[in-house]
Amino acid sequence: GAGVSQTPSNKVTEKGKYVELRCDPISGHTALYWYRQSLGQGPEFLIYFQGTGAADDSGLPNDRFFAVRPEGSVSTLKIQRTERGDSAVYLCASSLTGSTDTQYFGPGTRLTVL
Amino acid sequence: DQQVKQNSPSLSVQEGRISILNCDYTNSMFDYFLWYKKYPAEGPTFLISISSIKDKNEDGRFTVFLNKSAKHLSLHIVPSQPGDSAVYFCAAIKAGNMLTFGGGTRLMVKP
Repeated sequence: GAGVSQTPSNKVTEKGKYVELRCDPISGHTALYWYRQSLGQGPEFLIYFQGTGAADDSGLPNDRFFAVRPEGSVSTLKIQRTERGDSAVYLCASSLTGSTDTQYFGPGTRLTVL
Repeated sequence: DQQVKQNSPSLSVQEGRISILNCDYTNSMFDYFLWYKKYPAEGPTFLISISSIKDKNEDGRFTVFLNKSAKHLSLHIVPSQPGDSAVYFCAAIKAGNMLTFGGGTRLMVKP
């Protein structure tokens, strides 16, 4: 079956602009996660959804970052007033129900803020 | 404060030999550990996992060992193959859901 997909694969934007990154999880997976991977580092947790609700958003770095999952499937990560330090690969993962279920990752969106 | 550490940024191994990748953690609340493999321009792919109640889990050429007293785990790949060349991430979960990753180790298996 189809895996996790993310669009766009690459996004270049200017400092101060607004961006949206989209994640399509595996069908039927109730848990969805966003991570951010900076160059040379491991992925860092941003936010976790269980169904439509954000169960844990403790990894969001500041209030410029926001994510939604209105119908419990597709999720959008929104970044306002982008800064150069936001440049990274943004990874989305989904799992069947959460907990220790295997998290399946998408290919990521590479965000570059000029 | 890095709770999961992979102290070797890279490792080079000859094809057919054993690859040993190491990972240390500081948080004793972690109760589940995983290894992911990542190729360039792709997302991490799950490889193998281990619960904190076990000390070993084996799947084909891959074995993960957990030493809770030392807060250390390792991934053994034997025999190593050129297709195993990738970045390997150690990750941990504590009573929740999100993964805490180490910084990764780049494995190069030479033919």
